[in-house]
Amino acid sequence: EAGVVQSPRYKIIEKKQPVAFWCNPISGHNTLYWYLQNLGQGPELLIRYENEEAVDDSQLPKDRFSAERLKGVDSTLKIQPAELGDSAVYLCASSSDSNTEAFFGQGTRLTVV
Amino acid sequence: AQSVTQPDIHITVSEGASLELRCNYSYGATPYLFWYVQSPGQGLQLLLKYFSGDTLVQGIKGFEAEFKRSQSSFNLRKPSVHWSDAAEYFCAMDSSYKLIFGSGTRLLVRP
Repeated sequence: EAGVVQSPRYKIIEKKQPVAFWCNPISGHNTLYWYLQNLGQGPELLIRYENEEAVDDSQLPKDRFSAERLKGVDSTLKIQPAELGDSAVYLCASSSDSNTEAFFGQGTRLTVV
Repeated sequence: AQSVTQPDIHITVSEGASLELRCNYSYGATPYLFWYVQSPGQGLQLLLKYFSGDTLVQGIKGFEAEFKRSQSSFNLRKPSVHWSDAAEYFCAMDSSYKLIFGSGTRLLVRP
């Protein structure tokens, strides 16, 4: 069974440009998470979905970040416009429900220049 | 405030030696606790988890961890380290259906 799939693996953009990341969770997993991992730190939650509903987006900087999970399966995380400080690894994870362990994708490493 | 602390930024051990990575948490009740491993350029892989019951939990790759309520700790151990264990290790705690991670411990293995 395929794990959590993320694309692209790497992205380099100039500041002020938009960027989008895509995540395909494990089949049948209702809960989807986006985490931000800065260099040398542990991941921090950006947003959690239960099916298509964003149930915790309190840590998402809504002025420039947006996310969607259409049909409760794939998800897209967008940044517009990107800033230098957004350079980090963006991790997607999924779980069968909120009470079980999360499985992580390989992440997208974003570099803003 | 709820938090996870990993006091060691780096640890170096010789191959074949034993390993213990420290993790302390701050939480009002007994949390769900996890250890994840991250190899360079990779995502996080779950090593083991503690929800309740036996305080000594076994995981994959020969790792184990012991939950000690009195010390608010969940230390990870392995009796004999292999070169392939070199990676970043993260302790995490479930808080309101999200994971709170420590800052990680980088394990280096000497040949």
